[in-house]
Amino acid sequence: GAVVSQHPSWVICKSGTSVKIECRSLDFQATTMFWYRQFPKQSLMLMATSNEGSKATYEQGVEKDKFLINHASLTLSTLTVTSAHPEDSSFYICSATDRENSPLHFGNGTRLTVT
Amino acid sequence: GQNIDQPTEMTATEGAIVQINCTYQTSGFNGLFWYQQHAGEAPTFLSYNVLDGLEEKGRFSSFLSRSKGYSYLLLKELQMKDSASYLCAVLDSNYQLIWGAGTKLIIKP
Repeated sequence: GAVVSQHPSWVICKSGTSVKIECRSLDFQATTMFWYRQFPKQSLMLMATSNEGSKATYEQGVEKDKFLINHASLTLSTLTVTSAHPEDSSFYICSATDRENSPLHFGNGTRLTVT
Repeated sequence: GQNIDQPTEMTATEGAIVQINCTYQTSGFNGLFWYQQHAGEAPTFLSYNVLDGLEEKGRFSSFLSRSKGYSYLLLKELQMKDSASYLCAVLDSNYQLIWGAGTKLIIKP
């Protein structure tokens, strides 16, 4: 089945530094990739939608200058958390699909801890 | 506005059957998904319904009634490993996924 690889699985960084998270579709071309964050005991919150070769669409309340998304190819999207702060500590999950009404395939998630 | 409702938490016994309901009000409908999410892990796909009726896949079945804005996920022969959160999500007319808050299922021996 379709596989989405997300890296790293967990990262600890100091406040003020930047962290890059990669999301790769391994056996299909992901026309659309989604980035979510999830706080403990809460549901997924969509942060942004990215389509290959175009700018990401950010959800209301998500700072696009803080959460930089690049979808440079049909198999790779990256999320960079810039100038991270402790409140950015969360579980970040990417997902991808090759067409609009097909199931999302999720990466394994990245647990970010900012100290 | 768009809304998806599902129970916050359910408890069931190992070997039994449990039904998790999901009701939705969305701008259009292009399908409903069920995902399973274990604590600390990403969701995994369980089922997709776009037409009315029951879809059976092993121990799991999913039902949809578009006229009622209603779906359920049925889990049979419950196993301890089925303890997880179950997320209902609807694809609206803009092909945006609207997520429910999830139902935490607790399985007791």
